[in-house]
Amino acid sequence: DAGVTQSPTHLIKTRGQHVTLRCSPISGHKSVSWYQQVLGQGPQFIFQYYEKEERGRGNFPDRFSARQFPNYSSELNVNALLLGDSALYLCASSLEGHRGQEQYFGPGTRLTVT
Amino acid sequence: GIQVEQSPPDLILQEGANSTLRCNFSDSVNNLQWFHQNPWGQLINLFYIPSGTKQNGRLSATTVATERYSLLYISSSQTTDSGVYFCAVGEISSTLGRLYFGRGTQLTVWP
Repeated sequence: DAGVTQSPTHLIKTRGQHVTLRCSPISGHKSVSWYQQVLGQGPQFIFQYYEKEERGRGNFPDRFSARQFPNYSSELNVNALLLGDSALYLCASSLEGHRGQEQYFGPGTRLTVT
Repeated sequence: GIQVEQSPPDLILQEGANSTLRCNFSDSVNNLQWFHQNPWGQLINLFYIPSGTKQNGRLSATTVATERYSLLYISSSQTTDSGVYFCAVGEISSTLGRLYFGRGTQLTVWP
């Protein structure tokens, strides 16, 4: 069975531009979460989605938004990119997103903002 | 949110040596996972261990939830064990599946 998939693998954008990152969860998993990992730190929670609804949001500005589709795949959108948005963006899937459920991560999208 | 501290931050070993990585957390948890981040950035699941002890080959883990810590043991280290090891927890007071990560332990194994 395929694990969590993410696209693209790498992306280079200019300050002020917009970016869309994509994630497909493990088959049968209905919850997707997004994390941002900057160099030298652990991943930080951005969003969790379950059944197409946002269930939680971390401490990130409104420039960050996401959505989940009927097939449970998800998109993360970032507007008005800043240099500080350069990071590895990780997607995680779990069965239903409830507390305590094991999460599985995709390979990530490495975003560079110049 | 819950605080997660990992130690040591860096660990350098020769192949064949054993090591212990520690994770302390500041509140009760309903989820604790250990990950190995490979050089390409992917987080590989090692253990899902909110309590108790598990073993998988040369790796084992123990979580003592009442004392708010977890240990990851690596025996007979190999160069392929190199990378960053993360501990991540979910707080029991939340309904979300949100994970809080430590800053990781950077492990380097020399041949």
